[in-house]
Amino acid sequence: AQKITQTQPGMFVQEKEAVTLDCTYDTSDQSYGLFWYKQPSSGEMIFLIYQGSYDEQNATEGRYSLNFQKARKSANLVISASQLGDSAMYFCAMRERTNFGNEKLTFGTGTRLTIIP
Amino acid sequence: DVKVTQSSRYLVKRTGEKVFLECVQDMDHENMFWYRQDPGLGLRLIYFSYDVKMKEKGDIPEGYSVSREKKERFSLILESASTNQTSMYLCASSPATGTNTEAFFGQGTRLTVV
Repeated sequence: AQKITQTQPGMFVQEKEAVTLDCTYDTSDQSYGLFWYKQPSSGEMIFLIYQGSYDEQNATEGRYSLNFQKARKSANLVISASQLGDSAMYFCAMRERTNFGNEKLTFGTGTRLTIIP
Repeated sequence: DVKVTQSSRYLVKRTGEKVFLECVQDMDHENMFWYRQDPGLGLRLIYFSYDVKMKEKGDIPEGYSVSREKKERFSLILESASTNQTSMYLCASSPATGTNTEAFFGQGTRLTVV
């Protein structure tokens, strides 16, 4: 079963609009972490934002915020006032403990975001 | 500046060859990961290591093995390369201090098996 699900393979958004990228996850762990990474066409993986499972407040980093709904197992990324430079692949990821107690980091299939001028 | 370095950016190998992909990190991280990235499939975890000589299978370990003899170095081995292992391979590392620390990635190795 997929641990991280990103249902939007691609999105087109007008510049300066806000955009929400969806991410749902599946874990039986009580303590886990959720991450969002950006991958521009250059290929590098850029860390954007982190949310811990025990964090009560939604994480924010500049124009990025994470809409964390624990009961729904949802961790959507919101980008406010989108810019042309936001065009990239976006990956949602989860860190959880395996059955052996080790930390595993699993990624979703990604969403390709294109910002239209 | 934190650094994860993969030994090659591009690699072309023949079917049946034994292939080594090397990854070195300079951050004294306990955890290291190998992923392959394919269009439409995202990043899929092959193997990860949580300590020297310690490893655990990821989601797609078949056809691969790994080696971690020193803390800073994590090698991915394709015992007998096949064309379906043509892919982008990404290495990452992270500290083992709980769940609130991000992973740092190398620049990737694009492997073509012909």
